[in-house]
Amino acid sequence: DIQMTQSPSSLSASVGDRVTITCRASRSILSHLNWYQHKVGRAPKLLMFAASSLQDGVPSRFSGSGSGTDFTLTITGLQPEDFATYYCQESYTTSQTFGPGTKLEIK
Amino acid sequence: DVQLVEFGGGLVQPGGSLRLSCATSGFDFNDSWMHWVRQAPGMGLVWISRIISDGSSSNYADAVKGRFTISRDNVKKTVYLQMTSLRVEDTAVYYCARGPSYHGSWMDHWGQGILVTVSS
Repeated sequence: DIQMTQSPSSLSASVGDRVTITCRASRSILSHLNWYQHKVGRAPKLLMFAASSLQDGVPSRFSGSGSGTDFTLTITGLQPEDFATYYCQESYTTSQTFGPGTKLEIK
Repeated sequence: DVQLVEFGGGLVQPGGSLRLSCATSGFDFNDSWMHWVRQAPGMGLVWISRIISDGSSSNYADAVKGRFTISRDNVKKTVYLQMTSLRVEDTAVYYCARGPSYHGSWMDHWGQGILVTVSS
């Protein structure tokens, strides 16, 4: 099975900041990496798919990059509604493993 | 509008069974792979099962293999998760999600989730 790690596990930032979350796979997953935003009590929301493609309706301040084993999610110009937990997920294998999450909090 | 609504959660004793349903609308169900994902209290998202468009193939996480069964009714546009031999550690919010019908795809629409509590 592929193991997914994320760093940092939590992050404090201010409105307007630029933040980067890193996701690493234990072996190559090509570009089969997706990012989700999850707020407490809400349905998870797809942000990015195939590592760098922005899902319809997601603001352009979100961007993704990477391939193989190392990936990043960047939010440029944090907005109040962006404070949430972010998960990466590999869709290369049938295990569809999620990373452990990164909690983004207001500083 | 795309909608996925989960039903059937609740309190069940260890060793018991429960069937979750996820009723959908607003997208081509017959051309969608369907997933179940869960989140235990204080923990992250965990994928547990997927079924392809025509229902002929499904996959499971090791933690539920042999105990949970995913199925779908393409006429009713509903996906199910039959859960048996439930354990305390199966306590979680269960989400159904939809994805495009090809390998390597993602989950682009999700339900609000339903709570399953396994406790004596």
